[in-house]
Amino acid sequence: AQSVTQPDIHITVSEGASLELRCNYSYGATPYLFWYVQSPGQGLQLLLKYFSGDTLVQGIKGFEAEFKRSQSSFNLRKPSVHWSDAAEYFCVYSNSNSGYALNFGKGTSLLVTP
Amino acid sequence: GAVVSQHPSRVICKSGTSVKIECRSLDFQATTMFWYRQFPKQSLMLMATSNEGSKATYEQGVEKDKFLINHASLTLSTLTVTSAHPEDSSFYICSAREGTGGIYGYTFGSGTRLTVV
Repeated sequence: AQSVTQPDIHITVSEGASLELRCNYSYGATPYLFWYVQSPGQGLQLLLKYFSGDTLVQGIKGFEAEFKRSQSSFNLRKPSVHWSDAAEYFCVYSNSNSGYALNFGKGTSLLVTP
Repeated sequence: GAVVSQHPSRVICKSGTSVKIECRSLDFQATTMFWYRQFPKQSLMLMATSNEGSKATYEQGVEKDKFLINHASLTLSTLTVTSAHPEDSSFYICSAREGTGGIYGYTFGSGTRLTVV
């Protein structure tokens, strides 16, 4: 069955430092991949998505992700983290088998220290 | 942009009663709606997918007689938790999609915090 794995449950970075959140997918064909962020009181927000084409995807708030087929990865990156980036981040996939429903990874909780 | 209104945002009910949660797409027609539940400090778990005018498709392990989903119009889907028990206490989130393919955007409601006492 297709799934996404987020190996890191928690990550702590200093404000201004770079960030990389890992996501690995398992599927025979290329799935549709997304990164969502969930902040307390602000609901779910789409950061970026990948369907096909250019493997480096730019998103909102300075985030980007790179689809690497050889590594089955879709890691999220940001060059300089701001305190307001502290939140829960979900790697998400969808495919035709599930009616294109979004299926969420377990999430990575990001803590930003001063 | 697309907006999905979910109501109520919080509800407390007594054990054994039923609770209805509404999910409305305000400025687009939602061909498909999805319902999720999220326990504290956990991820979103897909409960069911509903297409307008059709019966909902439930994920494995989700009791369809307990979680009744209705998607009678292109702008409204409801989730009714029947005979609620404390273990049903959770955060329920709906999502709406305009088309049936994967390329369409997904819009999430702001969620409903259900507490069963």
